Amino acid sequence: DIQMTQSPSTLSASVGDRVTITCRASQSISSWLAWYQQKPGKAPKFLIYKASSLESGVPSRFSGSGSGTEFTLTISSLQPDDFATYYCQQYNSYPLTFGGGTKVEIK
Amino acid sequence: QVQLVESGGGVVQPGRSLRLSCAASGFTFSSYTMHWVRQAPGKGLEWVAVTSSDGSSKHYADSVKGRFTISRDNSKNTLYVQMNSLRGEDTAVYYCARGQLPNDAIDIWGQGTMVTVSS
Repeated sequence: DIQMTQSPSTLSASVGDRVTITCRASQSISSWLAWYQQKPGKAPKFLIYKASSLESGVPSRFSGSGSGTEFTLTISSLQPDDFATYYCQQYNSYPLTFGGGTKVEIK
Repeated sequence: QVQLVESGGGVVQPGRSLRLSCAASGFTFSSYTMHWVRQAPGKGLEWVAVTSSDGSSKHYADSVKGRFTISRDNSKNTLYVQMNSLRGEDTAVYYCARGQLPNDAIDIWGQGTMVTVSS
């Protein structure tokens, strides 16, 4: 199984900050990586697919990059609505696997 | 609009069974791979199972293999998961989710249904 490791697990930031979350795969997954945002008590929201493609309707301050085993999610200017937990997920092969999550908190 | 609505959750004793359902609407259900994903209280997301668009191919997480069975009825636009021999560690919110075409990122999620396994 492919292991997905996210860092940091918690991130404290202020509105307007540039935020970067890293996701590493235990083996190459090409660009088969997605990112999700989840708020407490809610279902995850689909943000990015194929490592860097923005889902329709997602604000352009979100961006993704990387390929192979190392990936990043960047929020260019953090907004109040962005405080949430973010998960990466590989869909290169079954079983699909998620990273452990990164909680973005208000500093 | 595209919607997935889960049902069937509840409290069940260890060793018993439960079947969850997911009603899909707003898209051509029979064209999409469908997944179950769960989240234990206070924990991260765990993928559970997937079925191909026609139900001919299925895959499971090791943690549920042999106990859970995913299925679908394309005539009813409904996804199921039959959960047998339930354990305390199966306690979670269970999400029904759609696989994006043509690849399999999960693009649409239901609101989730809670399953609690407890005596």
